[in-house]
Amino acid sequence: DIVMTQSPSSLAVSAGETVTINCKSSQSLLSSGNQKNYLAWYQQKPGQSPKLLIYLASTRESGVPDRFIGSGSGTDFTLTISSVQAEDLADYYCQQHYSYPLTFGSGTKLEIK
Amino acid sequence: EVQLVESGGGLVQPGRSLKLSCAASGFTFSNYYMAWVRQAPKKGLEWVATISTSGSRTYYPDSVKGRFTISRDNAKSSLYLQMNSLKSEDTATYYCAREVYYGLFYWGQGVMVTVSS
Repeated sequence: DIVMTQSPSSLAVSAGETVTINCKSSQSLLSSGNQKNYLAWYQQKPGQSPKLLIYLASTRESGVPDRFIGSGSGTDFTLTISSVQAEDLADYYCQQHYSYPLTFGSGTKLEIK
Repeated sequence: EVQLVESGGGLVQPGRSLKLSCAASGFTFSNYYMAWVRQAPKKGLEWVATISTSGSRTYYPDSVKGRFTISRDNAKSSLYLQMNSLKSEDTATYYCAREVYYGLFYWGQGVMVTVSS
């Protein structure tokens, strides 16, 4: 099984600051066939279902603000949220879609000071 | 508009069974893999099962393999999760989700399952 290690587990920032969330996989998520990384990021706001934010490591889902940026390749990935807004208060999860069993990171709770 | 609506949750005793349903609308259900993901109270997300478009292929993590069965009825645009031999650690909110090759694209609102005596 591919283990996803996510950090930090929580962070608190002021509105307008930039946030970085890290995700490391125990195996490469890069497909040799198409050179794509099968890593997704989800946002779960309080009391809501998760929502797909970023897929294939760096592609923003339709409607996601461009302050959300996914990067990385192989085993190391990052979600950067620039100029954090109050509405970004949520839990964030990375997930590998490279192989079954699908696995998630343990999550990062983002709090706004 | 894509909609996924789960039902069938509730309180069940350890060792008993429960079947969850997910009614899909707003898309051609038979064209998509579907999945179940759960979230224990105040915990993270755990993938539970995936089923192929025809239902011929299913995938499970070891934590539920042999106890849970995912199935689908394409004629009814419905997804199911049969859960047997339930344990207290199966207590969670269960989400159905539309799966594509790069992630879990749409999620339902979730249904709560509580396993307790």
